[in-house]
Amino acid sequence: DQQVKQNSPSLSVQEGRISILNCDYTNSMFDYFLWYKKYPAEGPTFLISISSIKDKNEDGRFTVFLNKSAKHLSLHIVPSQPGDSAVYFCAAPRVPHYSSASKIIFGSGTRLSIRP
Amino acid sequence: EAGVAQSPRYKIIEKRQSVAFWCNPISGHATLYWYQQILGQGPKLLIQFQNNGVVDDSQLPKDRFSAERLKGVDSTLKIQPAKLEDSAVYLCASSLDYGGRVTGELFFGEGSRLTVL
Repeated sequence: DQQVKQNSPSLSVQEGRISILNCDYTNSMFDYFLWYKKYPAEGPTFLISISSIKDKNEDGRFTVFLNKSAKHLSLHIVPSQPGDSAVYFCAAPRVPHYSSASKIIFGSGTRLSIRP
Repeated sequence: EAGVAQSPRYKIIEKRQSVAFWCNPISGHATLYWYQQILGQGPKLLIQFQNNGVVDDSQLPKDRFSAERLKGVDSTLKIQPAKLEDSAVYLCASSLDYGGRVTGELFFGEGSRLTVL
C-alpha cells in the first residue's frame, strides 16, 4: 500500500525560477510530513518538515505547504539554484497496528533538474 | 559529529552467493534502520531496531535476509542466498528517539550498492 505518492518522476526548472514538487497521501492520521533531498551516491538528507496542525512551514528558500482537505503537500523552492538538482522524497511516519513504534515511509521521489 | 558509517560502498556478487553490510550509527542514536532502495523507487524499510531490539521487520524477506544489532550499536545486514532482484542500494540510518516515538529526522549513511549478476 503506497500511502505517500509522488506522481511526477522528474521536473526541469530554469535557474532562478520557482520549483514546485508535489506529494499526495492517503492516510489522514499522519502527524507530520518530511522532505528529504538526495544527491547521487549519497544518502538522503533531511530538508524540511511540517506538522499536520500547520498549513505552511518556511525555511529560507524552501517552503512546504500542506492542504489537509486535499491530502496534498508541496515543496516550493524559490529561487531555484543549480545545487538544488537532486532527487526529492516526501515522507511520513506511520504507526503500524502491530507496533508502538512509528516507521518513516517514503514516496518514490521526484528528480529535479535546474537548467541554466 | 561523525555521521552514519557504512561499508562496503559497492559490492558485486553472483546470484546465490551471500553478502553482508555493516553500519555504525551516530553515537547516542537509539534507533537504527535498514532501508532498501531499488533504482527509481523510494527507500523501503526492511528492519528497524530500538537499541538492540527489533521493533519492525515486517518487510524483511526472512527466508534470505537477516539483521542484527549487537550491544545496541553497530548493525549488520546479511543476504543469503542473493537473488537478481536484490540489486539495490542498502541504506542505513539512525535517529534520536524520544519516548519511543520517531521524530522523523533520520540521518542516513552513504549506502552500500549491491549488484547481483
